[in-house]
Parts: sequence; structure tokens; C-alpha cells
Amino acid sequence: EVQVVESGGGLVKPGGSLRLSCATSGFTFNLAWMTWVRQAPGKGLEWVGRIKSKGSGGTTDYAAPVKGRFSISRDDSRNTLFLQMNSLKTEDTAVYYCTNVEDNIHWHLKYWGQGTLVTVSS
Amino acid sequence: EIVLTQSPGTLSLSPGERATLSCRASQSVSSSYLTWYQQKPGQAPRLLIYGASNRATGIPDRFSGSGSGTDFTLTISRLEPEDFAVYYCQLYGGSFYTFGQGTKLEIK
Repeated sequence: EVQVVESGGGLVKPGGSLRLSCATSGFTFNLAWMTWVRQAPGKGLEWVGRIKSKGSGGTTDYAAPVKGRFSISRDDSRNTLFLQMNSLKTEDTAVYYCTNVEDNIHWHLKYWGQGTLVTVSS
Repeated sequence: EIVLTQSPGTLSLSPGERATLSCRASQSVSSSYLTWYQQKPGQAPRLLIYGASNRATGIPDRFSGSGSGTDFTLTISRLEPEDFAVYYCQLYGGSFYTFGQGTKLEIK
């Protein structure tokens, strides 16, 4: 059974930092490209960024609103994905979801965690 | 930047009726990269359709996807009570993903 479990959310002041974790099991994490998607309260889904597998170079891509402030990394020995968020803004308030990219044909996001809430407020 | 526009914003139907949800891209895209998700309140999104027309594992056959170029459609042939939710289309763009703004399917 596949499990995806995000953690690390909470309340942080504008300008602060937070590190989210995503623990996974049930699929071959070291081969998986992984993404973060967020959802502001009452709003739609917004892609945050992606990290490729180390075998594909391990490189990252980010959405424009978070580029230069957020950083995605991975620890394949622990099957865990991370999202380091710096210089947080009130508009970063959202539920953050961790997902895997299922294949390199359709590139869809198959397994989603339950999300972790990040609130940026003074 | 490719923009996905979903319509209608809200669709009010009764159980048993047919639902047709639209997703329009601002420029022609590969149907291989078009995905649909369902999201219920308080839950994570769930994968429904990938590659524009392929049902994900465990998705009932009343759900179907179609389309090409700029126009894509999610059809629910006969609505069940558990189908009332928000539906998002999504596009993979090589180095990014983009989502439509969602269609809320509500009980009439």
C-alpha cells in the first residue's frame, strides 16, 4: 500500500522559514520524480515545484511565485521529500501536498498525501 | 504561459443526470499531458483521468475524458451522490504544471 505523509506545517510570521517533510512508502521513491502542490484556503490547486530523480539528474523546477524562496530536496535513503520555504509571505498560506509523478508518458500526479497546513501571519 | 480555463464555474445537477465539464487551453497542447482530478471537501485531490481519456485505477466507467488540441471534456454519464465535488484539469508543460481553476459540481 502506498503511503504519502506530509508534516512540518504550522504558524510562521512573514519573513520566516519553515521546512516541510513528506515521508513515503509503497513505491520506488528513488526512481520517482516528486512534486509539491499547494491550495490556499477556499482556492484552487497551484503547482509549487518538482524534483527529478537522482538518476535523471536530480534537478528542480519551481513556479514563478516561489522561485528563489523555496527549495525542494530529497533523501532517497529515507524515502523522504522536503520543501524548504524561506522569506515566507502571507500569500504562501495554504495546504501543501506532496505527490509523485506517475510516469514519463503522461506525467500525471498519482499519489497524494493528506496535506499539511502552513499559515503565514503576524 | 499556457492557461487552462474550466467551465462552467459551478454546475448544478441532480443524481442520475449527465455532467459535462469543459477545460480549454490557451494554445494547442498534447492530449497525453492532460489530466483530471476530483477533490472533495477536506480531502486531497484524487486522480481520475490521465492522458485526456485514460481512467485511473479504480475509477468507475461512468467517468470518461475526451478532447484534443485546445478543448477537453470530462463526462460523468450518470451522476451518483458521491460524484458531487470539485473537478480540476491539469496540464504538464515540460518544466511546469498548470491547473484550471476548477468546476464545482453541486447537487441541484
